[in-house]
Amino acid sequence: EAGVTQFPSHSVIEKGQTVTLRCDPISGHDNLYWYRRVMGKEIKFLLHFVKESKQDESGMPNNRFLAERTGGTYSTLKVQPAELEDSGVYFCASSHLPPGLAGAGELFFGEGSRLTVL
Amino acid sequence: GESVGLHLPTLSVQEGDNSIINCAYSNSASDYFIWYKQESGKGPQFIIDIRSNMDKRQGQRVTVLLNKTVKHLSLQIAATQPGDSAVYFCAENQVTSYGKLTFGQGTILTVHP
Repeated sequence: EAGVTQFPSHSVIEKGQTVTLRCDPISGHDNLYWYRRVMGKEIKFLLHFVKESKQDESGMPNNRFLAERTGGTYSTLKVQPAELEDSGVYFCASSHLPPGLAGAGELFFGEGSRLTVL
Repeated sequence: GESVGLHLPTLSVQEGDNSIINCAYSNSASDYFIWYKQESGKGPQFIIDIRSNMDKRQGQRVTVLLNKTVKHLSLQIAATQPGDSAVYFCAENQVTSYGKLTFGQGTILTVHP
């Protein structure tokens, strides 16, 4: 079974440019999450999809970030325009059920997309 | 505010020793805790979890202890191996928050042969 895949693995862009990150969750996982880790900080929640709907987007830092999950399969996270402080590693995770529910426990993380904004 | 933090940022041990990684949390409403392992260039990988109605849970070579009185979580790794070298994160969750994990900063574990 394929795991969570993310693309690109590394992106280097200039301030003001646009970048789109893609996440393919594990097949059949309705729950998809975006997290990010900026330099020196802890991994922070960005948002949570259940199928194609945004369940919780309270972690999105500002309106320069736009996440979509059309059709409830893969998801994209667009940063437009990118700023220096957006540099970091963006993780996508998926799960069959949200963690904490009976019988559930795991978020399966992808390897991350490293974003460098110059 | 709500936070999950770690006492020690780095831990070095000899192969075969037992390792203990600690974590403090501040949100008393947290009811579910997870430990993740992240190797270089990879995403966090689930190790073990524990619910707030338990104080201990064991897995293969790993044990998680939860002390709700002092809001403390620890991960014990028995007979640590070089392959255990990684960054370890604790994370907390409230079932009602439906998957929004709060992560600690991470502890770097280095195992020397």
